Amino acid sequence: DTGVSQDPRHKITKRGQNVTFRCDPISEHNRLYWYRQTLGQGPEFLTYFQNEAQLEKSRLLSDRFSAERPKGSFSTLEIQRTEQGDSAMYLCASRKQITGANVLTFGAGSRLTVL
Amino acid sequence: SQKIEQNSEALNIQEGKTATLTCNYTNYSPAYLQWYRQDPGRGPVFLLLIRENEKEKRKERLKVTFDTTLKQSLFHITASQPADSATYLCALDIKTSYDKVIFGPGTSLSVIP
Repeated sequence: DTGVSQDPRHKITKRGQNVTFRCDPISEHNRLYWYRQTLGQGPEFLTYFQNEAQLEKSRLLSDRFSAERPKGSFSTLEIQRTEQGDSAMYLCASRKQITGANVLTFGAGSRLTVL
Repeated sequence: SQKIEQNSEALNIQEGKTATLTCNYTNYSPAYLQWYRQDPGRGPVFLLLIRENEKEKRKERLKVTFDTTLKQSLFHITASQPADSATYLCALDIKTSYDKVIFGPGTSLSVIP
């Protein structure tokens, strides 16, 4: 069990560029979540997958954001035409079920800075 | 509207005292309430959870209570230590047509030696 891995850890980009983040969940976890977190705030739900199926997507996720989980393993989160407001920490988590609860194991996050 | 609130101010307490953190929510019906710890620059780490039909749960120096009538959870750290300094997040585990875990804004705790 190597935990949840995220790559890259830090990304600095210019406004208007596209960026992609990758998440490798714990291998036996079938659910994968993406969150966004800004300074002083809690993680904000973006979307989640059950295996390869994207089951829910936050209304906060604009059309510039897209997430995929091909083959139900790793996931990617792409942001197109980045804006300064996209600067945040993007957190990935996978789910370990304990008595029906969705206990999440988080990665260290990918910090995005849009100049 | 739906909302999760935690102590708005940072909490500073003396080492050895009990820290009490509050989580209040409106217009949610969580099946579970979870507490996570987050250190700067790191992802949150799960601490413990309590079910909607439980009143209290303990784990070592941690205790959590859950009052579904008041829509409130209290999180206690007894015999606090400087190493307990971190941000603590409450999270609602929502069971609707699809599961979702919604986080509060967090409370920053500093334990002063």
